[in-house]
Amino acid sequence: GNSVTQMEGPVTLSEEAFLTINCTYTATGYPSLFWYVQYPGEGLQLLLKATKADDKGSNKGFEATYRKETTSFHLEKGSVQVSDSAVYFCALSRNTGKLIFGQGTTLQVKP
Amino acid sequence: EPEVTQTPSHQVTQMGQEVILRCVPISNHLYFYWYRQILGQKVEFLVSFYNNEISEKSEIFDDQFSVERPDGSNFTLKIRSTKLEDSAMYFCASRADGNTEAFFGQGTRLTVV
Repeated sequence: GNSVTQMEGPVTLSEEAFLTINCTYTATGYPSLFWYVQYPGEGLQLLLKATKADDKGSNKGFEATYRKETTSFHLEKGSVQVSDSAVYFCALSRNTGKLIFGQGTTLQVKP
Repeated sequence: EPEVTQTPSHQVTQMGQEVILRCVPISNHLYFYWYRQILGQKVEFLVSFYNNEISEKSEIFDDQFSVERPDGSNFTLKIRSTKLEDSAMYFCASRADGNTEAFFGQGTRLTVV
């Protein structure tokens, strides 16, 4: 079946450090891939998405590239800020629109 | 900017009671979803709804759960007889036709005591 696996958290970084959160997926066909972010006490917000192989999604300095050969969609940011502290969810969707989420990775950025 | 709204933000109920969680999806969206997130765990799909009927449901969505779109704007999730393990954050989401992006509400935190 379809599934998403994310790296275990929490990830603790200093401000301006480089961030990578790994995400790999298992799916039949060609899913769309997403990163959602959940700030403390808030709901889920779409951070970025990619709908086909080799697409790069980007938003607010975050990037992720849809790698079909490695079935991965790793999230990266060159310089994190304290305000980026949140839980990050990788997710996939097939043509039904149902989202399958990874377990989430907590990011803590310290000043 | 249009958004999905959910009410209430927090609901406390006694075990065995019925609860109704309410959602107002974005007005031109046609696909509606409920997800739940037990504290500290992943977000899990419950049910999807399109054209006034359930299009897909997970094994979590048993006979205790039901969804309804009673009018042109609301989308509700009912739990008939709540159990302690139903305590979770419940998220509503909606999606436009032809779009891959689902928009989520802020969630309703359900606490069953």
